[in-house]
Parts: sequence; C-alpha cells; structure tokens
Amino acid sequence: GIQVEQSPPDLILQEGANSTLRCNFSDSVNNLQWFHQNPWGQLINLFYIPSGTKQNGRLSATTVATERYSLLYISSSQTTDSGVYFCAVSNSGYSTLTFGKGTMLLVSP
Amino acid sequence: GAGVSQSPRYKVAKRGQDVALRCDPISGHVSLFWYQQALGQGPEFLTYFQNEAQLDKSGLPSDRFFAERPEGSVSTLKIQRTQQEDSAVYLCASSLGPGTKKSSYEQYFGPGTRLTVT
Repeated sequence: GIQVEQSPPDLILQEGANSTLRCNFSDSVNNLQWFHQNPWGQLINLFYIPSGTKQNGRLSATTVATERYSLLYISSSQTTDSGVYFCAVSNSGYSTLTFGKGTMLLVSP
Repeated sequence: GAGVSQSPRYKVAKRGQDVALRCDPISGHVSLFWYQQALGQGPEFLTYFQNEAQLDKSGLPSDRFFAERPEGSVSTLKIQRTQQEDSAVYLCASSLGPGTKKSSYEQYFGPGTRLTVT
C-alpha cells in the first residue's frame, strides 16, 4: 500500500514563529488532506489539497503531486496551534485514507 | 446535525464483553468510513460503506469485528469478545461520496469513541 512519511516528528516553537511541516508519499494520489488533532482528540479539517496551493488565514498548503510531497505552512503561530498535525492520502477508488504518523507541535507563550 | 457524531464517547468493557459503537454521519453523505487510532499513532482504516453496501472491510483486524449500515445512514461497529488489544479510539468519518466534484472525497471525522478493555 501507499506509504506516508511526515517530518519533523516533533516541533517546539515560540509563539509568533513560522513553521513548515512536510508530507512525502510513495505513489500518485487522488485525495490528500491535512488535519489538526486537538488535545481532545478531534480531527479538524485544515485542507483538502490533492494538488495545488490553498490558503486559509495563517495556514497555507501546497501539494506537488508530480514530486509526491505536500507542505503545510503555519505563520505567526499561536498556543492554540498546538497539537498533532496529520497528513492523509488516498490512491484507492473508495478514497480510504492512509495517515502518516503525524507531527506533534507545541507552541509555547 | 452539522457534523459527524459518535456515541458513546467513552466505553469501558471487561475482557470478553461485546460492545457496539454508533456513528451518525453528516446528512446526505453517501460514504462512511471507520478507523482505529492507537495511542500515539495515526488512524488506520477498518471498513468502508457506500450507502448500505459494505464495499471494503479489509482493515478489520479479526472476525470479532463487524460493521453495518442497514439503511445507508447510521452505522454501528460491533466488537465481540473484546480483548485488551482492542483498546483504542474508534473514529468514524463521512464524505459526500463518488461524484463529479473533486471535493466529494473530502472526509469529515467524528469525535471518536475511546474504548478501554480491562
């Protein structure tokens, strides 16, 4: 099956700093989503981005499908950005998602 | 409701008991997925429904796991004779489903059911 690697595994930032999270995948995809899992375990949709670039406030994402990677940018980080960020991809007809191991982000005040 | 809901949110079962976990998908969503998330890991796929049809159950870890969606909306994941290794968070997700819009495939997750088997 498709492999998903996320880096870095852990990241500690001061409030206000910028960061880039990376997701590499091993095959072509028809679905790619970024999620933020908050401390209560809820997976919050950030981006649906199988290709191209999107922005939503302080967050933006870029997927280069031909090179099999996606990047999530967080600017001016806030303590509420803390949590685990997951990249999930699919190359199946049913679009079942394969998740990476996540990046644990801690933003300190 | 506005999002995917799951119940119960927490379940403690003694080893050997049967449990049933419920998922209410977003209204009108054709596709429904169950995932299992162990502590410190990403969610892993269990099974997929398109309306009432279970089209993929390749991720179910054993024949003690059974899922159904009889009327194409609410789904139930049942685990028989629970074992300690079944302890995990069980997540349900739904999406619009197959269609011409690319965004039909975007999955939305419920809050999960945390199962602890003692």
